[in-house]
Amino acid sequence: SQKIEQNSEALNIQEGKTATLTCNYTNYSPAYLQWYRQDPGRGPVFLLLIRENEKEKRKERLKVTFDTTLKQSLFHITASQPADSATYLCALYFGNEKLTFGTGTRLTIIP
Amino acid sequence: GAVVSQHPSWVICKSGTSVKIECRSLDFQATTMFWYRQFPKQSLMLMATSNEGSKATYEQGVEKDKFLINHASLTLSTLTVTSAHPEDSSFYICSASTAVWSTEAFFGQGTRLTVV
Repeated sequence: SQKIEQNSEALNIQEGKTATLTCNYTNYSPAYLQWYRQDPGRGPVFLLLIRENEKEKRKERLKVTFDTTLKQSLFHITASQPADSATYLCALYFGNEKLTFGTGTRLTIIP
Repeated sequence: GAVVSQHPSWVICKSGTSVKIECRSLDFQATTMFWYRQFPKQSLMLMATSNEGSKATYEQGVEKDKFLINHASLTLSTLTVTSAHPEDSSFYICSASTAVWSTEAFFGQGTRLTVV
C-alpha cells in the first residue's frame, strides 16, 4: 500500500533561516502533490500544489520541489518567522478522488 | 476564497448519545465533501466521501451505521456519530471541493468531539 512519510515529527529552526521539510512516498507517483498548513485545533489550509510534470513552484516565501525519481517533495520556507510555526502536511492525489495525507511535521520558529 | 464552515467547533456528549456535525460550503456549491478524523499527533484519516444526492462511500474499517453521512444539498453535509463511545473522541474535519477532479480542497475548522 502507498506510504507517505514526512521527515520528522518536529523541526526547530532559528528565525530568519530557511526551513526545509521533506515528504517521501513509496510506490506510485501521484498526479499532483499539495502542501497544507494546520494550526492547533484548526483544519488544514491549502498552501501550494505541484504537478508530476513540474519541478518547482513558488509562492512568496514558499517553495516546493517535486522529484518523481526520488519520490520526494521538499517544502521550503525562506526568511522564516515565528508566525510560520505550525504543522505542515503534504497530501498526495493519485487520481481516485481522494487526498492521502502524510503525518505532518510540527515546525517551530525560534525567535 | 472558498469558505467551508463546520459546526460546532467543539462538543462534549455522554456515552451512548448521538452527535451531529454540520459542514457547509458558504460561497460555492460542493459536489463532493470529505469527512476526516484526526487523532492527536496523527495525520488526517479519510472516513468517507459523500456526493450530493447519493450515498456516501466509506473507507475500509469505518462503520457506516455508526457514522451516518448525509449530503442532501450542494452546500451541506452532515456527519452523525451514533451511540458515541469514549474511543470516538477525536477531531473531525470536513472538506469540500467543487468537482470530482478539483485540485484544491477547502477544509472546515474542525470539530473536537469528546465523549464522556
